[in-house]
Amino acid sequence: RKEVEQDPGPFNVPEGATVAFNCTYSNSASQSFFWYRQDCRKEPKLLMSVYSSGNEDGRFTAQLNRASQYISLLIRDSKLSDSATYLCVVNSHSNYQLIWGAGTKLIIKP
Amino acid sequence: DTAVSQTPKYLVTQMGNDKSIKCEQNLGHDTMYWYKQDSKKFLKIMFSYNNKELIINETVPNRFSPKSPDKAHLNLHINSLELGDSAVYFCASSLGPTANTEAFFGQGTRLTVV
Repeated sequence: RKEVEQDPGPFNVPEGATVAFNCTYSNSASQSFFWYRQDCRKEPKLLMSVYSSGNEDGRFTAQLNRASQYISLLIRDSKLSDSATYLCVVNSHSNYQLIWGAGTKLIIKP
Repeated sequence: DTAVSQTPKYLVTQMGNDKSIKCEQNLGHDTMYWYKQDSKKFLKIMFSYNNKELIINETVPNRFSPKSPDKAHLNLHINSLELGDSAVYFCASSLGPTANTEAFFGQGTRLTVV
């Protein structure tokens, strides 16, 4: 089992719709969780951290489910500009290292 | 002002050559990283330096040698380039070495070995 797994997609979603995707992780001791966004041929940028109590930032909501070892990202009222690859990131057994998922590609269609 | 800058942005070179990629950050961060993103889009850490000291050295060929002259710079030298080295290499920095801090990335260097 990979340390961090994501559905690669692509998710093709009409503008204005709500979309959600999950990311599973294998290390039950992980403490740090993030969603990064990467546009085509660009560098990754932090979208949001994921806290135990969940985290909301505008149209974006991130949740952590420790029992099932996954984190989720929900995007409401999707915009064309939300088209990107969303990378799930979790710390490894070492607190000094992050493990990156391969990303979920999201395409928002007009 | 660019926070994390790396040069060159594109690098096309022949097998067997030696090349370097430079990285500089002006964020005052203590920790810098080199990541490799291959054609399958996996981002894998190669090296991490904290205050010029190596703290993460993943299993990469010893043809790859990082150098940190000061905490604002982390360069990557690659000897005897191979076809499999073709990838996008990202430099990044963060406030500290622990995994709960945001990483800021450079724009990437797209290396093509022919």
